[in-house]
Amino acid sequence: NAGVTQTPKFRILKIGQSMTLQCTQDMNHNYMYWYRQDPGMGLKLIYYSVGAGITDKGEVPNGYNVSRSTTEDFPLRLELAAPSQTSVYFCASSKFSGATNEKLFFGSGTQLSVL
Amino acid sequence: AQSVTQLDSHVSVSEGTPVLLRCNYSSSYSPSLFWYVQHPNKGLQLLLKYTSAATLVKGINGFEAEFKKSETSFHLTKPSAHMSDAAEYFCVVSQAAGNKLTFGGGTRVLVKP
Repeated sequence: NAGVTQTPKFRILKIGQSMTLQCTQDMNHNYMYWYRQDPGMGLKLIYYSVGAGITDKGEVPNGYNVSRSTTEDFPLRLELAAPSQTSVYFCASSKFSGATNEKLFFGSGTQLSVL
Repeated sequence: AQSVTQLDSHVSVSEGTPVLLRCNYSSSYSPSLFWYVQHPNKGLQLLLKYTSAATLVKGINGFEAEFKKSETSFHLTKPSAHMSDAAEYFCVVSQAAGNKLTFGGGTRVLVKP
């Protein structure tokens, strides 16, 4: 069982570069999420999706874009990387809404540094 | 609005002694509450959840948490710490509307032999 798979695990970007963080899940989950984790701050929701073709902003969406063309994949795009985007990024999924009592399944994270 | 405060950023215990991780929350609605654990270089894993059933919730690996509405708390405990419990723990509150989960800042647990 692969669960939620994120790539890459580590990446260093220069200011102004762009990149896509990949996320795929094989559990046929409807909901997918992108979080960022800054030290001592817990996780902040960037974007989420309730199904293929539907995405919505979370708490901290500025500087990011997402798409959900299939149920399995939910890539996160950084267009013009800034030092403030240095963080650890987690993708997660759930069958139904994680805001009720639904368990979230997390990927192992992507450590991104913007220098 | 909802918020979560984890009262200790770091907790150090000796192996075999009890562990207590404190969490206070605020929520406009009857909340669902969760504890997640994150081992080094891993994603978060659900330990347990409270969803308005029994106030004492048992989770995996011997952890349990008690929901106390009067104190707006959801503290996590384990009677006897094991070396494998060394990790970061997150208290999470949710409300049904808006797909919104709010994470606490995390408590890093160190277990000494």
